[in-house]
Amino acid sequence: SQELEQSPQSLIVQEGKNLTINCTSSKTLYGLYWYKQKYGEGLIFLMMLQKGGEEKSHEKITAKLDEKKQQSSLHITASQPSHAGIYLCGADKGNYGQNFVFGPGTRLSVLP
Amino acid sequence: DVKVTQSSRYLVKRTGEKVFLECVQDMDHENMFWYRQDPGLGLRLIYFSYDVKMKEKGDIPEGYSVSREKKERFSLILESASTNQTSMYLCASSLNLQGPSFYEQYFGPGTRLTVT
Repeated sequence: SQELEQSPQSLIVQEGKNLTINCTSSKTLYGLYWYKQKYGEGLIFLMMLQKGGEEKSHEKITAKLDEKKQQSSLHITASQPSHAGIYLCGADKGNYGQNFVFGPGTRLSVLP
Repeated sequence: DVKVTQSSRYLVKRTGEKVFLECVQDMDHENMFWYRQDPGLGLRLIYFSYDVKMKEKGDIPEGYSVSREKKERFSLILESASTNQTSMYLCASSLNLQGPSFYEQYFGPGTRLTVT
């Protein structure tokens, strides 16, 4: 079973709409990372959250990590076609090296 | 900007062939990673390296080996390719040996390998 769950699996929104993607773990995380992948390409690092309650923004994308450090949300305001892609969360489970896992991804389509 | 390049975007090999996938990064990063990405299974770590000639197994190292003779270059080797190794292979690098930046990874464009 996946150690990180993401919801929804896929999302289709009209351009200009807001949306939220969630990433959930059953265990406390030492770090939560958001990446974006354009179809058939590599991943682009978006942001990293470490502290409970932390919130970061980059352009129209805001990510939050809850106080218990088990859930993160990624919010896009006024979505644009350029936001389309697959959003993956990744988590550091606390041990050096191979204890980093990715979520299954959320596929976002933005209709013009 | 960090640039991670991979030697091929698409590769077709026959079962039993030895396959080399090359990855080069130009930002003097300490760490380099090889992942494979499959539908329904997501991204899985094969191997990573935190220094020249150093390597650590990831979640699925079986059937693969790696080589890091120079800091900027990390090679993934399939000694005898099999059809179940058909996948998208992604290379990544990150700056620091420890701490949160270890996982602030920069990815290459990927190599889509088909083994027939």
